[in-house]
Amino acid sequence: GAGVSQSPSNKVTEKGKDVELRCDPISGHTALYWYRQSLGQGLEFLIYFQGNSAPDKSGLPSDRFSAERTGGSVSTLTIQRTQQEDSAVYLCASSLDRAGTFGSGTRLTVV
Amino acid sequence: AQSVAQPEDQVNVAEGNPLTVKCTYSVSGNPYLFWYVQYPNRGLQFLLKYITGDNLVKGSYGFEAEFNKSQTSFHLKKPSALVSDSALYFCAVRDMNNNAGNMLTFGGGTRLMVKP
Repeated sequence: GAGVSQSPSNKVTEKGKDVELRCDPISGHTALYWYRQSLGQGLEFLIYFQGNSAPDKSGLPSDRFSAERTGGSVSTLTIQRTQQEDSAVYLCASSLDRAGTFGSGTRLTVV
Repeated sequence: AQSVAQPEDQVNVAEGNPLTVKCTYSVSGNPYLFWYVQYPNRGLQFLLKYITGDNLVKGSYGFEAEFNKSQTSFHLKKPSALVSDSALYFCAVRDMNNNAGNMLTFGGGTRLMVKP
């Protein structure tokens, strides 16, 4: 597709369950970012992939969070043993140059 | 470390009036600066960027921003606001000289409300 695609658009999960969020970047974009937008908060950087380099995981809030990017394309953000404070909109962006194109996000609600 | 400040949580302006959304930044090197807009239930959309060159940058939907190095600011402006401009606006910075870190650091966002 022409843009960054994220799925699911909405996810409601029970506390303690694991969730996987998917991001399909724009074809050919070498950089991929995950951000989190909590209610009333700004954007929080989570993780950054660039080509085949080791990802920058400095923004991941805890070891319950992990992300993969397979074949330099699709990325999956996994949250294990979800907590209520994980409720947020998770945004993915991809870029070829300096500005990123964002997906519409996945709204995660942990109940 | 790099940081961005958007001092106003909300800006209210009447339709047809000029608008300004403020942004100041801090980086150790030279900045790349960006503005994004987020409409309700939509993802972030790129508005404009400053990389180098002319300090006045023109972007989408009639928006422009002025890079001021001495004041470390990159305020977003529009000469005549539209009701449809009502949205959440994010300023972002990346350190041009930081080759190891390519992440954008975002400000907290400013909600723009344009009243008819």
